Amino acid sequence: GEQVEQLPSILRVQEGSSASINCTYENSASNYFPWYKQEPGENPKLIIDIRSNMERKQTQGLIVLLDKKAKRFSLHITDTQPGDSAMYFCAASENSGTYQRFGTGTKLQVVP
Amino acid sequence: EAAVTQSPRNKVAVTGGKVTLSCNQTNNHNNMYWYRQDTGHGLRLIHYSYGAGSTEKGDIPDGYKASRPSQENFSLILELATPSQTSVYFCASGDRGNQAPLFGEGTRLSVL
Repeated sequence: GEQVEQLPSILRVQEGSSASINCTYENSASNYFPWYKQEPGENPKLIIDIRSNMERKQTQGLIVLLDKKAKRFSLHITDTQPGDSAMYFCAASENSGTYQRFGTGTKLQVVP
Repeated sequence: EAAVTQSPRNKVAVTGGKVTLSCNQTNNHNNMYWYRQDTGHGLRLIHYSYGAGSTEKGDIPDGYKASRPSQENFSLILELATPSQTSVYFCASGDRGNQAPLFGEGTRLSVL
């Protein structure tokens, strides 16, 4: 079935540096790629998304890149702060699909 | 304000007992979802629904039933709960598969 692979599972970075999370998908019909942030004890919340008609999207210190040929998309957090420490999930879905499939998550730790 | 409300927020059940998790959305979304979240597995889809009266199997439906009696309500039923169903369950609602769903606050279920 459709799988979304996410790496790394744990990412530890120095405050002020950048963090990158990578996801790959199998279904070439996938055309919508959201990213979620989940704080401990809370629900996942959408932070940024990208559709297949774009290769790059940026908002408030977050950059998403999409490489459709390689079936790969990535999240880049610039100038990380302690508040960025959380679980991050990628997901993929297709226009005709009813639901999204999620990656297994990345635990980001931003250390002083 | 868009909202997805789950009840109960915490539940302790005995093995072999029946458990019903409830979800209500005020977003007038057609699609509703039940996910479970476990460390190392991310969010996995159990059941979903296109609208009132419809339920569909997700990726891990075994041991679970779902019910969608109305646009607003979507329940997850564990007829014979097992310890392997100890998890955090999230309900979500959305307009289409290629839009990010809105998640409820989650239900922490422990089956002893």
